Amino acid sequence: NAGVTQTPKFQVLKTGQSMTLQCAQDMNHEYMSWYRQDPGMGLRLIHYSVGAGITDQGEVPNGYNVSRSTTEDFPLRLLSAAPSQTSVYFCASSSGTSGDAGELFFGEGSRLTVL
Amino acid sequence: GEDVEQSLFLSVREGDSSVINCTYTDSSSTYLYWYKQEPGAGLQLLTYIFSNMDMKQDQRLTVLLNKKDKHLSLRIADTQTGDSAIYFCAETPDDKLIFGTGTRLQVFP
Repeated sequence: NAGVTQTPKFQVLKTGQSMTLQCAQDMNHEYMSWYRQDPGMGLRLIHYSVGAGITDQGEVPNGYNVSRSTTEDFPLRLLSAAPSQTSVYFCASSSGTSGDAGELFFGEGSRLTVL
Repeated sequence: GEDVEQSLFLSVREGDSSVINCTYTDSSSTYLYWYKQEPGAGLQLLTYIFSNMDMKQDQRLTVLLNKKDKHLSLRIADTQTGDSAIYFCAETPDDKLIFGTGTRLQVFP
């Protein structure tokens, strides 16, 4: 049982480049979300989805896009990377239709550096 | 908006009790959570408390909830070196899970 899988684990980008962080879960979870983790600021919610075809903004959505075409996948896109987006990104999912539905399962994280 | 606040660091001696505090913002949260993050890993659920409870005990963990003051605490009894990690509280406004800033617990022998 793979759980939540994120790729890549590490990425270095130049300012202005675009990329997609992939997230896949094999637990048939309805709820998926993306967080970024920065020192002293904890985890901040970027975007979340309560099911296929439905996405919504979190606390810090600017500069990021998401889509949810399937239950399993929830990619996070950076359209034009900026140094302020240097961070560790975590994808998480849960079995309910909201974040208030029990345990969130986290991926191992993707460390992104924007030069 | 307001942040879910935690102190950044806590250092305790092995065998002592640790108390990690959290001030949350959303009074309508149905559940409040504590997550643990070990180095280089994602977060894992430690425990949670339903909003109509004042206290929950789970082995070495005790969660206290003061809804009037929007204060949540996590007590770890007999703290071990394996408890060294970052601990996050989380509230649940609407259909989201919002985390606090995290408390780094260091346990020394």
